[in-house]
Amino acid sequence: RKEVEQDPGPFNVPEGATVAFNCTYSNSASQSFFWYRQDCRKEPKLLMSVYSSGNEDGRFTAQLNRASQYISLLIRDSKLSDSATYLCVVSLGVNFNKFYFGSGTKLNVKP
Amino acid sequence: DTEVTQTPKHLVMGMTNKKSLKCEQHMGHRAMYWYKQKAKKPPELMFVYSYEKLSINESVPSRFSPECPNSSLLNLHLHALQPEDSALYLCASSHAIQGEGYTFGSGTRLTVV
Repeated sequence: RKEVEQDPGPFNVPEGATVAFNCTYSNSASQSFFWYRQDCRKEPKLLMSVYSSGNEDGRFTAQLNRASQYISLLIRDSKLSDSATYLCVVSLGVNFNKFYFGSGTKLNVKP
Repeated sequence: DTEVTQTPKHLVMGMTNKKSLKCEQHMGHRAMYWYKQKAKKPPELMFVYSYEKLSINESVPSRFSPECPNSSLLNLHLHALQPEDSALYLCASSHAIQGEGYTFGSGTRLTVV
C-alpha cells in the first residue's frame, strides 16, 4: 500500500471554477502535512502547510482530518496560472523531515 | 537568501564517467536532502543529512555517493551510472525540526548515455 494516495486526474476546469483535490495517507504517525505545486519540468514549490484546524491562503483552503487520515485542497476562482501538478506530502522524522509524496494531481484550467 | 542553488542545471555523462552534482544553501538549514524524479512521477527520496550526518540512505546503489562537507553544501558523486539513472535530481533543505516544509533547488537534469 502506498504511503500517500492521490487521484492523478487530470482535472479539467474552466476559469473561475472551484476545484477540490483529496489525498489519503496510511501512516497514522505522520506528523506534518503539505501541499506542493509543481510546474512542468520545474522543481516542486511549497503551496501551503496543512494544519489540524484547517487553514486558508487567499483562494486556497487546506483541511486535515486525522481520524480519517485525509487531506484536502480547495481552489476557488481558478486562474489559468493555477494549471500545474499538485503534490500531497506527509512528513515523518525528528531532526529532519522525511517526506512521502503522493503521485500528484494534474490540474488544467481552461479559458 | 532564500534559495537552494544547484549546479550544473544540465549534465550529460557517459557510463564510465565520474561527475558530481552540487547543492548550496545559506538559509541556516541543518537538514539537506537528495531526491530523484523521473518524468510524470513524484520525487523519490535518496538521502537525508541532518547536522551534516547521513541520517537516511533509501537503499540507493553505491554508484551514487553523497557528501556533506559543511552545513551549507551537499554533493552527490556519480560513478558508473546506467541509462536508467537519467532523471531530474533535486536537492532540498529545511530546518532540522519536524513540521518544516522543504525548499527545493531547481534541480540537475541528468542524462546518462
